[in-house]
Amino acid sequence: AAGVIQSPRHLIKEKRETATLKCYPIPRHDTVYWYQQGPGQDPQFLISFYEKMQSDKGSIPDRFSAQQFSDYHSELNMSSLELGDSALYFCASSLGGGVQETQYFGPGTRLLVL
Amino acid sequence: GDSVTQMEGPVTLSEEAFLTINCTYTATGYPSLFWYVQYPGEGLQLLLKATKADDKGSNKGFEATYRKETTSFHLEKGSVQVSDSAVYFCTRSNAGGTSYGKLTFGQGTILTVHP
Repeated sequence: AAGVIQSPRHLIKEKRETATLKCYPIPRHDTVYWYQQGPGQDPQFLISFYEKMQSDKGSIPDRFSAQQFSDYHSELNMSSLELGDSALYFCASSLGGGVQETQYFGPGTRLLVL
Repeated sequence: GDSVTQMEGPVTLSEEAFLTINCTYTATGYPSLFWYVQYPGEGLQLLLKATKADDKGSNKGFEATYRKETTSFHLEKGSVQVSDSAVYFCTRSNAGGTSYGKLTFGQGTILTVHP
């Protein structure tokens, strides 16, 4: 079965640079979530989209922005990168944004900021 | 706010031992509850879920029951295998109603199973 695809899988950036992470949800899934997992920590919710509209917002820095496109893929744009942004970034998708729906996670993008 | 608390880890067991990982959640609204597992170097995989009180989720020999009266969702397995070694996250959704389903994770429990 098709899974959530994230690209790139690994990314190395310098401080103050920008990065774009991409997420391709499972076909027919209309809801996308972004999470950040720091080293040895639990994943923290950043932002979500349902039918191309932002549905919820968590602890996402103002330096970050995201959107969901007409084909339902999503991109997380990160500017003025800081050392503390080094983390594993997960995208998840679900069919509908309801609380009972299972979120299926991608393999993650590991970002290292030097 | 919404939160999830897992038992302190890590947990080290011998193969075929009984596993319990305790989990409690804040009792706001009617969340769905999940256990996700993260194998070394991999992403998060859904292990099991329960969407209402007294529901039992089960998968691959693991079980957890949604207990509203004790706000708990403890994970159990009768006989663990070396391949079960991973990090286990107890997770809750938003409270329900018109809320969307963002997830709140517990701090994770590292399980190591020795032959």
